[in-house]
Amino acid sequence: DAGVTQSPTHLIKTRGQQVTLRCSPKSGHDTVSWYQQALGQGPQFIFQYYEEEERQRGNFPDRFSGHQFPNYSSELNVNALLLGDSALYLCASSPPGGVNTEAFFGQGTRLTVV
Amino acid sequence: GESVGLHLPTLSVQEGDNSIINCAYSNSASDYFIWYKQESGKGPQFIIDIRSNMDKRQGQRVTVLLNKTVKHLSLQIAATQPGDSAVYFCAETWTGFQKLVFGTGTRLLVSP
Repeated sequence: DAGVTQSPTHLIKTRGQQVTLRCSPKSGHDTVSWYQQALGQGPQFIFQYYEEEERQRGNFPDRFSGHQFPNYSSELNVNALLLGDSALYLCASSPPGGVNTEAFFGQGTRLTVV
Repeated sequence: GESVGLHLPTLSVQEGDNSIINCAYSNSASDYFIWYKQESGKGPQFIIDIRSNMDKRQGQRVTVLLNKTVKHLSLQIAATQPGDSAVYFCAETWTGFQKLVFGTGTRLLVSP
């Protein structure tokens, strides 16, 4: 079992550009959540996808959007990048009917905005 | 608003010592608490969790204690090893709520 896989592992973007991050959940998991982790901070919840719909959203602007595909994989899109968007972006998946304590995290995508 | 915080940003211990990492939470509605370990360059790794109807839960070399009266959570690591060096986060969530609320983390440094 490959666990939660994220791609790419690192990328550098210029302010104002757009970026798409990808996540494949752990086998058997159907729910995907995205978190932003600034350096030295705990992860902050962005949103969660279930049955291809956004189920809940944290305090992030509309520049942050997502999508879930029928195979449960997910994308996080960020438009009009700001320097402050530089962070580690984490994807977590959880099983059907699972509670958040059963969430498994990927290794993250390190985004640097210059 | 709700928050999860930690008392100590860095904890340095010697190999073989017992470590205690503390966490304070503010949302009395929280009914699940989780400890994560995050090594450099990796995502958070689940260590142990506890529900609000419990005071103590033990795992392999780890124990989590929950004091709901003072809204305090602690992680005890027995016989700490260099491989335990990492940042430890506590997180809370509650029934029907989809997100985990994380604290800022404590860095554990274990010297051989």
